[in-house]
Amino acid sequence: QSALTQPRSVSGSPGQSVTISCTGTSSDVGGYNYVSWYQQHPGKAPKLMIYDVSKRPSGVPDRFSGSKSGNTASLTISGLQAEDEADYYCCSYAGSYTLVVFGGGTKLTVL
Amino acid sequence: QVQLVQSGAEVKKPGSSVKVSCKASGGTFSSYTISWVRQAPGQGLEWMGRIIPILGIANYAQKFQGRVTITADKSTSTAYMELSSLRSEDTAVYYCARGSTVVTDVRIFDYWGQGTLVTVSS
Repeated sequence: QSALTQPRSVSGSPGQSVTISCTGTSSDVGGYNYVSWYQQHPGKAPKLMIYDVSKRPSGVPDRFSGSKSGNTASLTISGLQAEDEADYYCCSYAGSYTLVVFGGGTKLTVL
Repeated sequence: QVQLVQSGAEVKKPGSSVKVSCKASGGTFSSYTISWVRQAPGQGLEWMGRIIPILGIANYAQKFQGRVTITADKSTSTAYMELSSLRSEDTAVYYCARGSTVVTDVRIFDYWGQGTLVTVSS
C-alpha cells in the first residue's frame, strides 16, 4: 500500500482535460509545498513533469499544471494528446525522517 | 548533458546479495544527491534511500533499513546500491535518480538512470 493515494486510472479524449489527484496527510502533501509528478511510459524511466507543486521543468509543455489544496495535490493535463498516455506518479517530501513518499500511480488512457 | 548509466541485469538466488551501480556524467557529482527507487513488475515506484556524495551520508527508507547499503565513489562519479538477503519479492527494476541539488535533494528527481532488472529466483 502506497503512502499517497492516487486513482488507479483516468481517461480522456484528445483535446480534453483530465485531472489526477494525489491524497496524502499533513505529514507529507499537506505539510510541504514539495510535491512532484513523474510521467512513465511503458519500459521507460520516469520523467519529471512538475516539481514544488506547480513548477514545470524546462521542456515540459504548459499543458501540464499542478496544484494543491490541503492534503491533496492534483495534476491537470489540458489539450490531451495521444503521447500523454502513460502512468503518472505523485511524490512528496515527507520530513527529515521519512524523506519521500510516492503515490501508487495512475494510468492515463487517451481514448 | 547529464546522464546516469546503470549496470546490467542480474539474476540472483534467494538469500544472496546484489550490487547495482550508477555512473553519472555531466554536472558535478558532489553538487547533487543520488536516490534509488525500485519498481516491482506491474507495480508503482518505491523509494529505497539516498546518498549525499559530498558528505558520504546515506539515509534509507524504514522498510529497507538493515538490508540496503548505498555508497558513492566521488573519484568515478558512481553510486552503488547493495541489497542483501534477497527474496523473490525483491524482483524489480531498480532506478537511480538524481536529486537536482543537495538543497532540493529528494524534492526533485530531474534525471534517472535507465533501470536495472534484478530477478531473484531459485
